[in-house]
Amino acid sequence: AQSVTQPDIHITVSEGASLELRCNYSYGATPYLFWYVQSPGQGLQLLLKYFSGDTLVQGIKGFEAEFKRSQSSFNLRKPSVHWSDAAEYFCAGGYNKLIFGAGTRLAVHP
Amino acid sequence: DGGITQSPKYLFRKEGQNVTLSCEQNLNHDAMYWYRQDPGQGLRLIYYSQIVNDFQKGDIAEGYSVSREKKESFPLTVTSAQKNPTAFYLCASSTPREAFFGQGTRLTVV
Repeated sequence: AQSVTQPDIHITVSEGASLELRCNYSYGATPYLFWYVQSPGQGLQLLLKYFSGDTLVQGIKGFEAEFKRSQSSFNLRKPSVHWSDAAEYFCAGGYNKLIFGAGTRLAVHP
Repeated sequence: DGGITQSPKYLFRKEGQNVTLSCEQNLNHDAMYWYRQDPGQGLRLIYYSQIVNDFQKGDIAEGYSVSREKKESFPLTVTSAQKNPTAFYLCASSTPREAFFGQGTRLTVV
């Protein structure tokens, strides 16, 4: 069955520290892959997406993600986290319908 | 401005009543989706539609119904058969390469 897994439910980092949020997918072939961010009570905002080509994808707000076929992963990274990055992050994948992971809630300590 | 509009933002209903959540888009997208969000469970797909007058069940369709009579509109009815309807509901529309989300409707059934 198609699935997207985010192993970490909560992550806490200090402001200025680096960040990596994990995402693994299970599909017959490489799906389209996305990272979204959600602030409390709001809809989802697209951070970045991968379809094909360069496996390192740049997104908004200084985020990037690397697609690794051998690991079926699409991890999100940011070199230096800001307090405003505290939110919930969702990885998603799919072809004709989007399937979401359970989300990772990021807390940022000053 | 193009986008997706969900209304209302907050909705309260008594147990046993059906309630319909509105979702309208002016992005000219063929595909539309309804997701349910509960804490710690990410976004779960309720129904999706890839063309007018056609829709498919997602992973948790029981107790819900939809219609797609117009390209712009994809209303979701939460019926009295839905055992635990209190949740945050998100509507989305998409091209093959990107999904756009509304701001969500928080439904509380008392």
